[in-house]
Amino acid sequence: NAGVTQTPKFRVLKTGQSMTLLCAQDMNHEYMYWYRQDPGMGLRLIHYSVGEGTTAKGEVPDGYNVSRLKKQNFLLGLESAAPSQTSVYFCASSYFMGQGGEQYFGPGTRLTVT
Amino acid sequence: AQSVTQLGSHVSVSEGALVLLRCNYSSSVPPYLFWYVQYPNQGLQLLLKYTSAATLVKGINGFEAEFKKSETSFHLTKPSAHMSDAAEYFCAVSDKSNTGKLIFGQGTTLQVKP
Repeated sequence: NAGVTQTPKFRVLKTGQSMTLLCAQDMNHEYMYWYRQDPGMGLRLIHYSVGEGTTAKGEVPDGYNVSRLKKQNFLLGLESAAPSQTSVYFCASSYFMGQGGEQYFGPGTRLTVT
Repeated sequence: AQSVTQLGSHVSVSEGALVLLRCNYSSSVPPYLFWYVQYPNQGLQLLLKYTSAATLVKGINGFEAEFKKSETSFHLTKPSAHMSDAAEYFCAVSDKSNTGKLIFGQGTTLQVKP
């Protein structure tokens, strides 16, 4: 099993450009999450999904959109990138276990917006 | 709102010394608690989790954590540090909803000196 994979690993964007980050998992997990990691701030939840076709906002959703058209994929979009979106982005997935489920993380995407 | 506080953004120990990473949480109901580790340029992986079965939880790589309700703490310990333990450690608490969301602390970087 590949687990959770993320594409691309690195990306540099100019302000105003758009891009989509792809997350894929092969563990048949119901739940998927997008986080951003910034120094000294831990991980903050951007958006999440509790099943195919569903999405919901997390703690810091502004400037991002997501889609979950297939159970195994969770896409994160930036329509008009800003320097404040320079960060490391992590995708995670988990079983349907309510509060006790372990999240499995991808290797991350390092995004720089100039 | 639930929150997690990790005391000390950087902890430095000598190889063979005790490792103690502190985590305090705020939650109005019994929480599920997690410790994750992040090695350089990698995603997060689960060290251990508390789900109310036992207050002393053993995890991978010789780590353990004790849930203390009276102190609202979930500190991570390891009796003898190895060089390979150098990483960033995150404490997290589950959101009260059944969405599997996690609220992360700010992270603690562990340095192990030879």
